[in-house]
Amino acid sequence: DTEVTQTPKHLVMGMTNKKSLKCEQHMGHRAMYWYKQKAKKPPELMFVYSYEKLSINESVPSRFSPECPNSSLLNLHLHALQPEDSALYLCASSETGRNSPLHFGNGTRLTVT
Amino acid sequence: AQKITQTQPGMFVQEKEAVTLDCTYDTSDPSYGLFWYKQPSSGEMIFLIYQGSYDQQNATEGRYSLNFQKARKSANLVISASQLGDSAMYFCAMREGAGFQKLVFGTGTRLLVSP
Repeated sequence: DTEVTQTPKHLVMGMTNKKSLKCEQHMGHRAMYWYKQKAKKPPELMFVYSYEKLSINESVPSRFSPECPNSSLLNLHLHALQPEDSALYLCASSETGRNSPLHFGNGTRLTVT
Repeated sequence: AQKITQTQPGMFVQEKEAVTLDCTYDTSDPSYGLFWYKQPSSGEMIFLIYQGSYDQQNATEGRYSLNFQKARKSANLVISASQLGDSAMYFCAMREGAGFQKLVFGTGTRLLVSP
């Protein structure tokens, strides 16, 4: 079982909807990440939070809004998405440092209609 | 510029045989970390093995080993005694950037293990 929990597993939303993806980890990690993965492509980094502060935003459109309420939780708020935003969204956590692997959740499969 | 290169889009191997998945990387930083992940069709990313740039020995984790050739900037994954459950996508990745916060992935290799 993964130690990073993502909800929901699947999400279908219209372009005018507002929804949120949730991620929780209880490994005491101080870094958390959002990745986007399109079919048959590698994951692409979206955001990095380090010690609950946003440290990296990979020029992600503002219709994606991350939030880190505390060291265990990471949310991704979605608003006015486009069909091309349909993808697998992966959350991960890690200790800080170059030798620390990221531990991923099972992902949320998002479909924008 | 592509930092991680995986030149094999697909690989086939028979059960119980060994297979090598290739990965080359590009960095000018003397300190870096290399990782391999497995992604089954269900979607989760499973961490397999890590190699640090200063590590003197090749990393091993059970049936997984990493053939690390620093001068050639290659970090190939070797899976011994393949099992049907090894069929999946395999990604090589490297930590980079300020504070090594970014984990950047290669394009992946799809491995199919046949009986």
